[in-house]
Amino acid sequence: GDSVTQMEGPVTLSEEAFLTINCTYTATGYPSLFWYVQYPGEGLQLLLKATKADDKGSNKGFEATYRKETTSFHLEKGSVQVSDSAVYFCALSLEGAQKLVFGQGTRLTINP
Amino acid sequence: DTEVTQTPKHLVMGMTNKKSLKCEQHMGHRAMYWYKQKAKKPPELMFVYSYEKLSINESVPSRFSPECPNSSLLNLHLHALQPEDSALYLCASSQDRGVWNQPQHFGDGTRLSIL
Repeated sequence: GDSVTQMEGPVTLSEEAFLTINCTYTATGYPSLFWYVQYPGEGLQLLLKATKADDKGSNKGFEATYRKETTSFHLEKGSVQVSDSAVYFCALSLEGAQKLVFGQGTRLTINP
Repeated sequence: DTEVTQTPKHLVMGMTNKKSLKCEQHMGHRAMYWYKQKAKKPPELMFVYSYEKLSINESVPSRFSPECPNSSLLNLHLHALQPEDSALYLCASSQDRGVWNQPQHFGDGTRLSIL
């Protein structure tokens, strides 16, 4: 079945460090890929998306590139801030399907 | 500010109570969703409405009853819940369930506690 695998957390970094959160997927078709972020006490917010191979999604300094050959969509940021502390979910959706398939989430903590 | 509004933000109820969760969006979206999220887990899909008709029920117990009165509103009626139903309930909307490359927009959720 379709699935998303994220690197296990929690991840703890110092402010201004480089961030990578790995995400790989298994899908029967050609999915759209998403990163959502959930801040404490809030719902999920769309961070970025990519809908076809080699697309790069970017927002708020975060980037992720849709890699069909490695079935990956790794999230990166060059210099993290304390305010980036949150849980990050990688997700996919398939044409004709009505649901998002989520990874397990990665909790990120940034220390000053 | 979130474009999907959920009320109430918190709800505490006994196992014999009846209550409702409400969700509203004014983005013109035609698909709306209910999710349940337990601590440290991803959201789990419960129901999908498309053009005000129920299109997916993920084998949710009948003590949860969804309703979509119009294209902007989504309710979740609760009755005789169990302690394990305590969770964050998230509502989401998207342009159309068939538009697979459009993201879902989430509300901030209702945190439900069952005594």
